[in-house]
Amino acid sequence: AQSVAQPEDQVNVAEGNPLTVKCTYSVSGNPYLFWYVQYPNRGLQFLLKYITGDNLVKGSYGFEAEFNKSQTSFHLKKPSALVSDSALYFCAVRDKGSGNTGKLIFGQGTTLQVKP
Amino acid sequence: GAVVSQHPSRVICKSGTSVKIECRSLDFQATTMFWYRQFPKQSLMLMATSNEGSKATYEQGVEKDKFLINHASLTLSTLTVTSAHPEDSSFYICSAPTPRAAFFGQGTRLTVV
Repeated sequence: AQSVAQPEDQVNVAEGNPLTVKCTYSVSGNPYLFWYVQYPNRGLQFLLKYITGDNLVKGSYGFEAEFNKSQTSFHLKKPSALVSDSALYFCAVRDKGSGNTGKLIFGQGTTLQVKP
Repeated sequence: GAVVSQHPSRVICKSGTSVKIECRSLDFQATTMFWYRQFPKQSLMLMATSNEGSKATYEQGVEKDKFLINHASLTLSTLTVTSAHPEDSSFYICSAPTPRAAFFGQGTRLTVV
């Protein structure tokens, strides 16, 4: 079965420091991977995706993610965190069983707290 | 970029009444839309897949008679929570896929009193 895991409920980082939010996946074949961010009482905003190509994917707001096939990981990173990055982050994988409908399977979510 | 608009953003209703939530794709057509439910500090739980011109597909455990979905056009899907109860209070989010990514509405905070 396809799944996505975010092993950390919360990540705390000081402003200006690099941040990493972890994600591992279990998918047969080549995965389509996504990162979304959610601010309180808001919908999800698309950050970036990996379909194929370069393992390092650059996305919105200075975020990037590295696809690592051998470790089945897709960790989200940012070189220098901002207080405004504090939010709930979701990793997701496209459900291949749904064909091209775009159905996503989400991880549990990781709360990022960036302190001044 | 693709925009999905969800309305209302917040609604309070009395037990036993019905509430309709709208999800619109503003600058693209969506033959498929998804409805999710999210409990506090938890992940999104897919409730159903809304299909334009045909019946919705519900996930296991989701009551189709309670959560009515209508996808009347290529830009509009509606979720109606019928005979709402306090346990239906939650954050509901719709999503519409594009070739680039799935885009999400702003969400609807439903409180049933």
